[in-house]
Amino acid sequence: QSVLTQPPSASGTPGQRVTISCSGSSSNIGSKTVSWYQQLPGTAPKLLIYSNNQRPSGVPDRFSGSKSGTSASLAISGLQSEDEADYYCAAWDDSLSVYWVFGGGTKLTVL
Amino acid sequence: QVQLVQSGAEVKKPGASVKVSCEASGYTFTSYGISWVRQAPGQGLEWMGRISIYNGNTNYVQKLQGRVTMTTDTSTSTAYMELRSLRSDDTAVYYCARERKIGAAYRWFDSWGQGTLVTVSS
Repeated sequence: QSVLTQPPSASGTPGQRVTISCSGSSSNIGSKTVSWYQQLPGTAPKLLIYSNNQRPSGVPDRFSGSKSGTSASLAISGLQSEDEADYYCAAWDDSLSVYWVFGGGTKLTVL
Repeated sequence: QVQLVQSGAEVKKPGASVKVSCEASGYTFTSYGISWVRQAPGQGLEWMGRISIYNGNTNYVQKLQGRVTMTTDTSTSTAYMELRSLRSDDTAVYYCARERKIGAAYRWFDSWGQGTLVTVSS
């Protein structure tokens, strides 16, 4: 049971816009920034979004992030086949003995 | 460029220990923390703990307290994660990740190792 809640799956057709949600609490998303990671099959996770809505250099602007209260979202516009991957949200958590928390991951399928 | 290169796959018997290394390059090793994250087969990411390279302070997830130790060797810019009393449910890919931090609220993992598969089997 992950501390951050994500839908287990999402899907879209090429060119579409999809969003993936991430729900937390006041001790994590509500008071800390959210980051998103893309994990292609058989590879290590890769930073996609940091500080809620910032893209590292090299990440296409088709990827965007937002946060409101204790929830965050990752949006992917102009969906491409190479976007098919697992996506994870993460945040620092202030709760006793909990530090970093992840979402359970969302498997994105490009139909 | 920033690189984290991990040691190779391991096969261990239940009850044994494993020590995974993560060699950093391309940046000042002591300026960033390192976290360890594992991923069981077909499962999501699980944060295990972190070490501040600057002062050696560690934080571990409660469920692994007493079985995990994270250390560093600043002379070789290498971080280590040792897990003891291995069980079958410790079978996973283990990742090291560099932690960026700006103040208390702004944190993220900006670089990851390639992963080390640890298989626990009798």
